[in-house]
Amino acid sequence: DAKTTQPTSMDCAEGRAANLPCNHSTISGNEYVYWYRQIHSQGPQYIIHGLKNNETNEMASLIITEDRKSSTLILPHATLRDTAVYYCIVVTTDSWGKLQFGAGTQVVVTP
Amino acid sequence: NAGVMQNPRHLVRRRGQEARLRCSPMKGHSHVYWYRQLPEEGLKFMVYLQKENIIDESGMPKERFSAEFPKEGPSILRIQQVVRGDSAAYFCASSPEQGGYGYTFGSGTRLTVV
Repeated sequence: DAKTTQPTSMDCAEGRAANLPCNHSTISGNEYVYWYRQIHSQGPQYIIHGLKNNETNEMASLIITEDRKSSTLILPHATLRDTAVYYCIVVTTDSWGKLQFGAGTQVVVTP
Repeated sequence: NAGVMQNPRHLVRRRGQEARLRCSPMKGHSHVYWYRQLPEEGLKFMVYLQKENIIDESGMPKERFSAEFPKEGPSILRIQQVVRGDSAAYFCASSPEQGGYGYTFGSGTRLTVV
C-alpha cells in the first residue's frame, strides 16, 4: 500500500475550518484514500473516503488533487470535540481489511 | 443499533496468565478485524476474520496469540502466557463486507499485565 505523509500537529480555532493535508505521492490507480480519527483513548472513527472525486458527508469534505498525489480533509466548522488524531490511510482493494495507520496529525481545537 | 461491543473494557492479568478479549460485531456484520495500540504508538493491524475463517493473520505475533470468530457468538482474541509487553489497547472493528464505507471500531479493551 502507498505510504502517506501528514503534519505531526496543527491547531485550529473553534468555529473555523480545519484543513488537514495528506501527501500520498505513490498512490496507485486502485487505491482509495480513507480518513479516520481517534479521540483520546477511544476507538478510531471513520470519517470519509474517496477515489478520484471530491466527497462530502455530514462530518467533512475530502478534496483529492487531480493527480491524486495529495488530498485535504476539511472540517468546515471545527468544535472542541473535533480535537483528535486524524489519520489519512491509503487502502487497496486487495487488502481492505488491513488498515495501515501512521502517526497521523494531532489536531487541537482551541476556544 | 448497538455498535461494536468489546469486553471487558479493562483487563488486568498477571504475567503468565491467559487473556481473552471479546468482540461482538455490529448486527449484520460478518467481517471482524483486530488491531493493537501499544502505549504511545500507532494502531497496528493484527488479524482479519470472517465467520469461521481467518482471512489474514499477517499481523499476529507468531506465538501465544490466536483469534477466532465462530459461527455463533463473539470473536475472541486470546493471548496465552501474557508478558508485560502485551500491555496495550486492543481494538476490534467490523464491517458488513470488505471495504465500502469504512469500518466501525469498538471502544477497545485495555490490557494491563502486572
